[in-house]
Amino acid sequence: SYELTQPLSVSVALGQTARITCGGNNIGSKNVHWYQQKPGQAPVLVIYRDSNRPSGIPERFSGSNSGNTATLTISRAQAGDEADYYCQVWDSSTEVFGGGTKLTVL
Amino acid sequence: QLQLQESGPGLVKPSETLSLTCTVSGGSISSSSYYWGWIRQPPGKGLEWIGSIYYSGSTYYNPSLKSRVTISVDTSKNQFSLKLSSVTAADTAVYYCARLGYDDFYMDVWGKGTTVTVSS
Repeated sequence: SYELTQPLSVSVALGQTARITCGGNNIGSKNVHWYQQKPGQAPVLVIYRDSNRPSGIPERFSGSNSGNTATLTISRAQAGDEADYYCQVWDSSTEVFGGGTKLTVL
Repeated sequence: QLQLQESGPGLVKPSETLSLTCTVSGGSISSSSYYWGWIRQPPGKGLEWIGSIYYSGSTYYNPSLKSRVTISVDTSKNQFSLKLSSVTAADTAVYYCARLGYDDFYMDVWGKGTTVTVSS
């Protein structure tokens, strides 16, 4: 089965740029989607199809995908961006989630 | 605005069947553009996809749960449902329902989630 690997945690200074990676075998050939989940809340889609933002998601959120790594980039990080982030792909008729990354804004 | 709401018992006994329903409001479950799915999250852990269904009844299931899972749809009530049999404490989780895009299966609308505890 396909696996997605994310770092357990990422830290970023307030106002700086955070990058959260999602590794998978030839993930660049797949569409990657990203979700933000704050404590006690349902996940929210922040990026779909590698680099597209749903309406209402700030332009500070962007995504890229190539080779074996997809990346979620959060520019000008704010305290409100502190959350868990999950990547997700569709592979062999199965939804696959990464293990999640806790983003801490210092 | 589309909304999804999970409902069902918050406590289920071991070996019994967990049953949840997701009610869709503000849109039709019979739209040809979407699948509808169930995702769960054990306490302190990550997201796990359970399965998804199209309004026609076509389904996809997580292979690790497939033998215990049934997802069904009732278009007349604008609802879809989850049944998970032979539950154990490991099935204790927050259960979410969500809308999935037909082409890429990303989850763009989520319910708020409902907590299900498996305990005697």
